[in-house]
Amino acid sequence: AQTVTQSQPEMSVQEAETVTLSCTYDTSESNYYLFWYKQPPSRQMILVIRQEAYKQQNATENRFSVNFQKAAKSFSLKISDSQLGDTAMYFCALFQGGSEKLVFGKGTKLTVNP
Amino acid sequence: GAVVSQHPSWVICKSGTSVKIECRSLDFQATTMFWYRQFPKQSLMLMATSNEGSKATYEQGVEKDKFLINHASLTLSTLTVTSAHPEDSSFYICSARGHSNNQPQHFGDGTRLSIL
Repeated sequence: AQTVTQSQPEMSVQEAETVTLSCTYDTSESNYYLFWYKQPPSRQMILVIRQEAYKQQNATENRFSVNFQKAAKSFSLKISDSQLGDTAMYFCALFQGGSEKLVFGKGTKLTVNP
Repeated sequence: GAVVSQHPSWVICKSGTSVKIECRSLDFQATTMFWYRQFPKQSLMLMATSNEGSKATYEQGVEKDKFLINHASLTLSTLTVTSAHPEDSSFYICSARGHSNNQPQHFGDGTRLSIL
């Protein structure tokens, strides 16, 4: 069975600083995808970054980057130069082609303080 | 980028009525659409998966007669909450994906449903 674990229910960071959100997962398949989604107070789900399991290179999108450790089944999100608009719930998600389902972690509430 | 429109964004209605929520992919063909339910301060719970032209696949514990899903075209899926009751009050979110199952899901803005 697929599981996604986010062990940090809440985190806070000062504006302009760097923060890392943790995520671990479990899957028996070799072909899968990992995502980080952001849900601001407006509750819209916004795709932040994605990582294909077969790629060794860590994905990067501007201030957002991941540390993908396949052997350890770890997929952390690093946010550099944090901005007030980064305040949101962040969900880590796992997708396996076989099941066609996206499995979400419980989320981490990130607050960026001025 | 891929845009998914969900309507209405907020609905309040009396107990016993039925409510229809629409999910549209505006600039791509959505072979598969997903319906999620989100309780306050919790994660998204998948309710059902719908493929265009076929019956939806419901997750365990989700009443298919209560939550009717129709995916009649490649750009539109609807969720109808039948005979809604206060316990059905929740935030419902749809997502859509193109032909390839390795494409990311794009989410609508969600619908806040309040049953009085």
